[in-house]
Amino acid sequence: IAGITQAPTSQILAAGRRMTLRCTQDMRHNAMYWYRQDLGLGLRLIHYSNTAGTTGKGEVPDGYSVSRANTDDFPLTLASAVPSQTSVYFCASSDGASGESEVYEQYFGPGTRLTVT
Amino acid sequence: DQQVKQNSPSLSVQEGRISILNCDYTNSMFDYFLWYKKYPAEGPTFLISISSIKDKNEDGRFTVFLNKSAKHLSLHIVPSQPGDSAVYFCAANSGNTGKLIFGQGTTLQVKP
Repeated sequence: IAGITQAPTSQILAAGRRMTLRCTQDMRHNAMYWYRQDLGLGLRLIHYSNTAGTTGKGEVPDGYSVSRANTDDFPLTLASAVPSQTSVYFCASSDGASGESEVYEQYFGPGTRLTVT
Repeated sequence: DQQVKQNSPSLSVQEGRISILNCDYTNSMFDYFLWYKKYPAEGPTFLISISSIKDKNEDGRFTVFLNKSAKHLSLHIVPSQPGDSAVYFCAANSGNTGKLIFGQGTTLQVKP
C-alpha cells in the first residue's frame, strides 16, 4: 500500500510560471489537505477538501488553487509562481468518518520541495 | 496570530533521559490534540493524540498530558532514544471539520 504519493519530489521554478503539484492517495479517504512548511511557521493549511467535488480555503490560500474531481487525486496549482511560494508542500488525507476521533488523524505524503527563483 | 505555539525551537537530551516537549494553545474550543513526528525529507507521521475530555494518554514510551485550564499540553518521551531525534509538531483540531492547526515544531536531538 503506497498511502499518499506526491510528485514531483522537488522542482525549481521560474517566477511567473504555472505549476501543478500532484497528490494521489490509495486509502479511499474522504478528506484531503495541502500544507506548506516554512521554518519557524510550522505547517500551514493552504486548501482542503472534505469529499470529492468540494474544496475549501485554509489559512494561506492566496496564489493557490485546488480541484477534487475524484476521491484519490487532489492537485495543487500555482497559477503564477512567486518567490514567497518557495516552500516544502505536503499533501495529507484523513478518513473523515463522522463521529470518530480518528477523523482528526491525517496521513501525510513525502512532500514536494519547491524553489521559485 | 498563532493559535498553537511551540515556544522551544529545539531541545537536546541525553539518551535514556526524559524528553519533554511543550505546546500552548489559545483557543478554548479546541477539543482534540495530536503530536506528529517528522524526519528530514519525509512527511510528518502521527505519534499520539488526546481528547479534551482526558488529561493523559500513554502509548509505550510516549505520554501526552493535557492541562485545559492552562491551555497547555506536553509530550513526554521516556526513555529517549537516538532514533527519536526528529521535529515534533503539536496540532489541534479546528472544530469538527477535521482541519488541524499546527505549531511551529520543536527539533529534538537525543545524544548517544
